[in-house]
Amino acid sequence: GNSVTQMEGPVTLSEEAFLTINCTYTATGYPSLFWYVQYPGEGLQLLLKATKADDKGSNKGFEATYRKETTSFHLEKGSVQVSDSAVYFCALRGSPGQNFVFGPGTRLSVLP
Amino acid sequence: GAVVSQHPSRVICKSGTSVKIECRSLDFQATTMFWYRQFPKQSLMLMATSNEGSKATYEQGVEKDKFLINHASLTLSTLTVTSAHPEDSSFYICSARDRVVTDTQYFGPGTRLTVL
Repeated sequence: GNSVTQMEGPVTLSEEAFLTINCTYTATGYPSLFWYVQYPGEGLQLLLKATKADDKGSNKGFEATYRKETTSFHLEKGSVQVSDSAVYFCALRGSPGQNFVFGPGTRLSVLP
Repeated sequence: GAVVSQHPSRVICKSGTSVKIECRSLDFQATTMFWYRQFPKQSLMLMATSNEGSKATYEQGVEKDKFLINHASLTLSTLTVTSAHPEDSSFYICSARDRVVTDTQYFGPGTRLTVL
């Protein structure tokens, strides 16, 4: 079945540091890939997505590129802010009609 | 953008009582809604999928008689936790799939249930 693996957290960075959160997946066919963010006490918000190989999703300074050859969708940001502190979930969906499969989440703490 | 609301955002109840959580799509119609459960510091676990006007489909290991789901309209689904116990304490998140733009799914803000 489909699955998503993320680097284990927590990740603690200083403000303006470079961020990478690794995500790899196992899936048949050509899934769509997503990053969701969950701020403390809130639900999930879509951060970015990519629907086919080599697509790059980007939003709020975050980027992730769909790499089919390495089955990866790593999340990056060049300069993190304290307000980026949250839990980040990598997810895939096999097709528009299928359910999401979420990774375990990575907690990010950014210190001032 | 589209918004999914949940009510209440937090609820505390006594063991043995039932609690109803509402999930509404505010500016779109959702033929399919999903209910997830999230334990502290863990990922989301899909509990069930509900389609408007039909019975919900529950994931393996989820008790359908304990977690009653009703999807009575294209904008409302409810989850009722019956005879709640402390182990039911959790963060419950709903999600709704847009009827028109079917590759789009929006998540609600979640409901934190605490059973004393």
